[in-house]
Amino acid sequence: NAGVTQTPKFQVLKTGQSMTLQCAQDMNHEYMSWYRQDPGMGLRLIHYSVGAGITDQGEVPNGYNVSRSTTEDFPLRLLSAAPSQTSVYFCASTAEMGTQYFGPGTRLLVL
Amino acid sequence: SQQGEEDPQALSIQEGENATMNCSYKTSINNLQWYRQNSGRGLVHLILIRSNEREKHSGRLRVTLDTSKKSSSLLITASRAADTASYFCATDLNDYKLSFGAGTTVTVRA
Repeated sequence: NAGVTQTPKFQVLKTGQSMTLQCAQDMNHEYMSWYRQDPGMGLRLIHYSVGAGITDQGEVPNGYNVSRSTTEDFPLRLLSAAPSQTSVYFCASTAEMGTQYFGPGTRLLVL
Repeated sequence: SQQGEEDPQALSIQEGENATMNCSYKTSINNLQWYRQNSGRGLVHLILIRSNEREKHSGRLRVTLDTSKKSSSLLITASRAADTASYFCATDLNDYKLSFGAGTTVTVRA
């Protein structure tokens, strides 16, 4: 039981490039979320999904796309990277009681 | 916008002492959760307290919730070096979307 896994651990992009951050969970949770964490600001919700085929926007969705074709996977796509997207990205999977299990994070640097 | 705010922003204590941090929030909640984050790692769930509960314990952790004051506190007793981390409160407004505060950074000195 690996929990929540994220790849890559670290990525450097140039402005305008696109990339996909991968997230997978093996706990059969329906609800998954993507957050970004910036210094002094805690975590902010980007997008979330309540099940396969269903996604919705969180607090800071601009510049990001998500899809949920399976229960296990919830990739986050950066369409055209900007320096303002330099951050640490966390994927989380939610158990029935509302407890969230977080992945180890992806550190993204956009030059 | 962030619903929860932790206080203090930073806390430095001696090993063996207790650490207390507070969280205030703005709107009615379904539950409130506390998470720990060690440097460079993901968040780890510590404890969840429902809106109809007033106090909850888990090992050396004690969480209180006062819905009339819209506040919660996390007490870590007999702190250890391994408790050095950032602690976040998160409020659940009844839709599984958590709103996190900016966190309290706790340093436990040997």
